[in-house]
Amino acid sequence: VQLVQSGAEVKKPGASVKLSCKASGYTFTSYYMHWVRQAPGQGLEWMAIINPSGGRTSYAQKLQGRVTVTRDTSTRTVYMELSSLRSEDTAVYYCARDIAVTEGEGGFDSWGQGTLVTVSS
Amino acid sequence: EIVLTQSPGTLSLSPGERATLSCRASQSVSGKYLSWYQQKPGQAPRLLIFGASSRAADIPDRFSGSGSGTDFTLTISRLEPEDFAVYYCQQYGSSRWTFGQGTKVEIK
Repeated sequence: VQLVQSGAEVKKPGASVKLSCKASGYTFTSYYMHWVRQAPGQGLEWMAIINPSGGRTSYAQKLQGRVTVTRDTSTRTVYMELSSLRSEDTAVYYCARDIAVTEGEGGFDSWGQGTLVTVSS
Repeated sequence: EIVLTQSPGTLSLSPGERATLSCRASQSVSGKYLSWYQQKPGQAPRLLIFGASSRAADIPDRFSGSGSGTDFTLTISRLEPEDFAVYYCQQYGSSRWTFGQGTKVEIK
C-alpha cells in the first residue's frame, strides 16, 4: 500500500488549494480515504472522508462549506480542496486509508507522506 | 461532538518501564470506534490499536488497549527506545472522527 501526496504549497489568504493523494497497491474502491491535518507543533485534526466507491463524503463541521473532497477512480487519486484560506490553515495535510469494512469500525492504517500548506501574505 | 481528553500531557519514563496512557471521552463511545496512534517527529502517525483492543498489523504485543464507555487506556508493557513518541486516541461518531490532544512519552 502506498499513498503519494502532491508537493508543498504556499498560498495567500483568501486563496484556495487543491491537494492530491494517489493510491497504489490495493483495490482503490474498497477502502474509505480520509484527510487529516496537523498545524505546526499541534495535534491531529480530522477533516473529511470519502468513499471512493460511490463518492459519498462527510466533512468536519468547522470546515463545512470550505472543504471539498473528490476522487478519480481512473487514476486512483483522491483530491482535497480547501478554499478561503487563512493563516490558521497552515499545516501538514495527510491523506489516510481506513481499514474499516463498516464505517467507524477500523483505523487509519496507511498514511501519505504529508503535504505542507503555508498560508501567508 | 464528542471530545477526547488525554492524560497526562507528558509522561517521563525510562526504557523498560510500563507506560499507561488515558483517553477519556465526554460521552460514551462504543469500543468498536476507538483507536490509538503513535507519531514520531517528522513522520506520519502510525495505527497501533483499533476497536479499543485490537492490535494493527505488525504492532508488537507490548502495546495493548483496553476500556469501555468513556474511559480507555493504552498500555506499553516495557518501553523500548523507539516507543518514545506522541500518542493520540481517536473516536468515531455520526460520520465524523475526532482525536485527543495527545500524550508525549519522553525519556526520563
